[in-house]
Amino acid sequence: GQQLNQSPQSMFIQEGEDVSMNCTSSSIFNTWLWYKQDPGEGPVLLIALYKAGELTSNGRLTAQFGITRKDSFLNISASIPSDVGIYFCAGQFYSGGSNYKLTFGKGTLLTVNP
Amino acid sequence: NAGVTQTPKFQVLKTGQSMTLQCAQDMNHNSMYWYRQDPGMGLRLIYYSASEGTTDKGEVPNGYNVSRLNKREFSLRLESAAPSQTSVYFCASDGGRDTQYFGPGTRLTVL
Repeated sequence: GQQLNQSPQSMFIQEGEDVSMNCTSSSIFNTWLWYKQDPGEGPVLLIALYKAGELTSNGRLTAQFGITRKDSFLNISASIPSDVGIYFCAGQFYSGGSNYKLTFGKGTLLTVNP
Repeated sequence: NAGVTQTPKFQVLKTGQSMTLQCAQDMNHNSMYWYRQDPGMGLRLIYYSASEGTTDKGEVPNGYNVSRLNKREFSLRLESAAPSQTSVYFCASDGGRDTQYFGPGTRLTVL
């Protein structure tokens, strides 16, 4: 089945620094999604990407859908303590009929030191 | 508008006991999903329901059953719990354009 390789697994940064994480796959995806999970909570959607090459921002977050459709990255600028959490990439592929399934990366744990 | 709700939030079971995890969404979404999350494993799909009355297996369905009771509710049942089913369980519904919205999770421990 489809697999996503997400890196890095964890990051320790100082407040104010920029952060970059990415996901790659051997399969082509039709949609790339980025989620954030706070401790003890469910994942929350940050950004959705629908076209190869698409670059989308949400505040200090910027994500891109790779040209090959096999990768995506997420950048966070000027990190703040509340950016702490686990960031997941997810790819969507058509599984037949009218239903779509998500494949998730294993997550990047971000720690921000004030 | 509560989004996706799950009950219970926490549960401890003994090996062999059964239980049902409840999920409901008030966003009129057609598709609903059950995932489990284990450390270092990300989110793995257990079962999903494309629409009311239909269910399909995901990546890790063994030991679980589901019921799509109506458009709002999608339950996950463990008939005979095992320690390997200790995990955090998330329900999600599809908001269209390939986006999924998650509930707060159920933290299950099987002793």
